[in-house]
Amino acid sequence: EAQVTQNPRYLITVTGKKLTVTCSQNMNHEYMSWYRQDPGLGLRQIYYSMNVEVTDKGDVPEGYKVSRKEKRNFPLILESPSPNQTSLYFCASSLGTGGYTFGSGTRLTVV
Amino acid sequence: GEDVEQSLFLSVREGDSSVINCTYTDSSSTYLYWYKQEPGAGLQLLTYIFSNMDMKQDQRLTVLLNKKDKHLSLRIADTQTGDSAIYFCAEIARGSTLGRLYFGRGTQLTVWP
Repeated sequence: EAQVTQNPRYLITVTGKKLTVTCSQNMNHEYMSWYRQDPGLGLRQIYYSMNVEVTDKGDVPEGYKVSRKEKRNFPLILESPSPNQTSLYFCASSLGTGGYTFGSGTRLTVV
Repeated sequence: GEDVEQSLFLSVREGDSSVINCTYTDSSSTYLYWYKQEPGAGLQLLTYIFSNMDMKQDQRLTVLLNKKDKHLSLRIADTQTGDSAIYFCAEIARGSTLGRLYFGRGTQLTVWP
């Protein structure tokens, strides 16, 4: 089944403890992206990648890192999480003009 | 391409048509999308339209694009309770990479039985 898989689905962590949210797609898509969704703010793009080793900042990249060492994987790294990074995170992938396919989301709480 | 506006709420009666509206400020947007998000779920791509089109129909869904007014709409015919969800309009602006997709804040559609 064609899909974007992100893990974990739920995560509670403490301020400052490094964490990684994994994302994998099995559709051979070139483009991958991370969004965060917050009430009243809609979806805001954190980072996106056009292909292996090619990444760029979105609208809210501060406090996040990404890497694209393989085409299928695009992990999101929070080196030192803070409470304002509590949010619902979505990974997505795309071939290009046809729009993104989204994962099921990761609900992150930073206390 | 950063300012995509949508009204926040829409309520309709089951069986009626729903029209969800979106305005965008980048008149040179090339691709426009509609996504649906059900409670507790990710976003599902419903349909999309390229800027060289005025209308696209797909079963109960009709997308209308008015480039002059920078207005996009999604019409759902014979709305059902299962259509209750948040609907997002999104755009890729001309000059942006295809990975740069901007979203509106979403319209919460509530369908009354």
